[in-house]
Amino acid sequence: AQRVTQPEKLLSVFKGAPVELKCNYSYSGSPELFWYVQYSRQRLQLLLRHISRESIKGFTADLNKGETSFHLKKPFAQEEDSAMYYCALSSGGYNKLIFGAGTRLAVHP
Amino acid sequence: IAGITQAPTSQILAAGRRMTLRCTQDMRHNAMYWYRQDLGLGLRLIHYSNTAGTTGKGEVPDGYSVSRANTDDFPLTLASAVPSQTSVYFCASSEARATEQFFGPGTRLTVL
Repeated sequence: AQRVTQPEKLLSVFKGAPVELKCNYSYSGSPELFWYVQYSRQRLQLLLRHISRESIKGFTADLNKGETSFHLKKPFAQEEDSAMYYCALSSGGYNKLIFGAGTRLAVHP
Repeated sequence: IAGITQAPTSQILAAGRRMTLRCTQDMRHNAMYWYRQDLGLGLRLIHYSNTAGTTGKGEVPDGYSVSRANTDDFPLTLASAVPSQTSVYFCASSEARATEQFFGPGTRLTVL
């Protein structure tokens, strides 16, 4: 079964601390993975896709097929990073996404 | 350019009533989607449409129907609302497979 697991509902850190939001997936084919973010009172928006191998707002995510993981990392968290983060898997077909339950990141001053 | 708009912003509905959530995009995207967002469950796909005139079922389609008469509009209908359909509903669109999905602002629906 295709599944995305985000084990942490809430991750609370202080400003300047490193952040790692965990994402594990289950998929029988070649996965395409994404991180979406929802800031307070804003729309859900794309943060990263694994194909691009880019760094956005200091965040990076590496696809580890051996561990079936796509963890999101940032070396120094900022207060403006506080948001809800969703890991998502593209499930074949026409870009249908399977989302994890989400992790709320709270960065404290 | 508005992107994706949804209406209404929020609604309180009596159980058994019929309700249509509206979604319109002006980006000429072929694909459109409806998700529901529930605490602890993330977003789950209800229905999708690859192109105008076609629709498909997602993960949680029961109790919902959609239509795609043209490229821009993708309404979601609850024929007879039940309390378990209380949720936040998001519409999204995308150009093609494995590209970015653009989300609307959401509709908060409460069924009593």
